[in-house]
Amino acid sequence: KAGVTQTPRYLIKTRGQQVTLSCSPISGHRSVSWYQQTPGQGLQFLFEYFSETQRNKGNFPGRFSGRQFSNSRSEMNVSTLELGDSALYLCASSVGPRDQETQYFGPGTRLLVL
Amino acid sequence: GQQLNQSPQSMFIQEGEDVSMNCTSSSIFNTWLWYKQEPGEGPVLLIALYKAGELTSNGRLTAQFGITRKDSFLNISASIPSDVGIYFCAGHPGAQKLVFGQGTRLTINP
Repeated sequence: KAGVTQTPRYLIKTRGQQVTLSCSPISGHRSVSWYQQTPGQGLQFLFEYFSETQRNKGNFPGRFSGRQFSNSRSEMNVSTLELGDSALYLCASSVGPRDQETQYFGPGTRLLVL
Repeated sequence: GQQLNQSPQSMFIQEGEDVSMNCTSSSIFNTWLWYKQEPGEGPVLLIALYKAGELTSNGRLTAQFGITRKDSFLNISASIPSDVGIYFCAGHPGAQKLVFGQGTRLTINP
């Protein structure tokens, strides 16, 4: 079974631009979560989608948004990019009951904002 | 919000040594997961624990779900250079979203 895939793997943007990142979960997984990872902040939760609905949201500004499609694929969008948005963005798909979900991560998208 | 205390934050060991790291929480967890992350890559699931007291091995790795449901440890025996990376614990406090520890950075001197 193929793992979680993320595209693109690397991205360079300039301040003020917007970016869309894509995530394809493991087949059969309906929950997708997004995280931002920076050296100083560790893994910061962005949001979680389940069956096309946002189920949880982290403490990020409205410039960060996401969506999930009927095939469980998910995208996240960051508008008006800032230098501080440079990070590794990780997507994870989940399986199992809500209180015992197991998350599997993709390889990440490394975003550099200049 | 829920917090996990993962320790130590970093470890510098000699090749061949055993490694032990742990995570503790102030609240009860239903799941403990251990991940390893290498530079530029996403975390890879190493071991998943679902029951209090559960002890699970994956090769040279062994992890246990504490009987109080508030802690877990990960041991690595006879470390080798490819064990280098950052190890994260994660857990489910009830039906809430997964919570992650801050990671343990493992460095191995050959």
